[in-house]
Amino acid sequence: DVKVTQSSRYLVKRTGEKVFLECVQDMDHENMFWYRQDPGLGLRLIYFSYDVKMKEKGDIPEGYSVSREKKERFSLILESASTNQTSMYLCASSSRTGSNEQFFGPGTRLTVL
Amino acid sequence: DAKTTQPNSMESNEEEPVHLPCNHSTISGTDYIHWYRQLPSQGPEYVIHGLTSNVNNRMASLAIAEDRKSSTLILHRATLRDAAVYYCILRSRGGSNYKLTFGKGTLLTVNP
Repeated sequence: DVKVTQSSRYLVKRTGEKVFLECVQDMDHENMFWYRQDPGLGLRLIYFSYDVKMKEKGDIPEGYSVSREKKERFSLILESASTNQTSMYLCASSSRTGSNEQFFGPGTRLTVL
Repeated sequence: DAKTTQPNSMESNEEEPVHLPCNHSTISGTDYIHWYRQLPSQGPEYVIHGLTSNVNNRMASLAIAEDRKSSTLILHRATLRDAAVYYCILRSRGGSNYKLTFGKGTLLTVNP
């Protein structure tokens, strides 16, 4: 069964803390994505990566950075967490070929106090 | 990215067919039409996609208008487990062809 896993389902952090969200996929996919989802705003793309060590900004990259050192792992980093980064974070992966269907993880609900 | 328009919400009864519409009047010739759905407390999941011809799979059917300016996702017999937000998304074929832009989707309620 193909899988995208995220390191935590729920996370509570304090303002100013550095936060790491980890995502791992076991499908040997080239592409990986980080989204955030907020009520009334839908899913918004933060960053994506189309290969190891490669990254591109999505629609809302401010306040975030990413790291992809290995093909299966894509990390989202909040350098200094703020309350407006309280959100549901979703990771996804897709193959570069075929239908480019994206497979999503279960999400991490991050609360920044 | 070309934009899609969907109703905010729709309601259906269990075991009846559901037709979820999507307008995409600015679609280009190389855009694929993708549908995803998001069940409560889960990440989105792929449902179906097409380019010009109607498509069927085990989950649903996709009917695409001849001018491609609209499409309809068809659930043949809705079940309670089909209650979800359904997203209609255009994915361009070239360039950054792996990016998807999610709109607000249609919240489908299925009544027992």
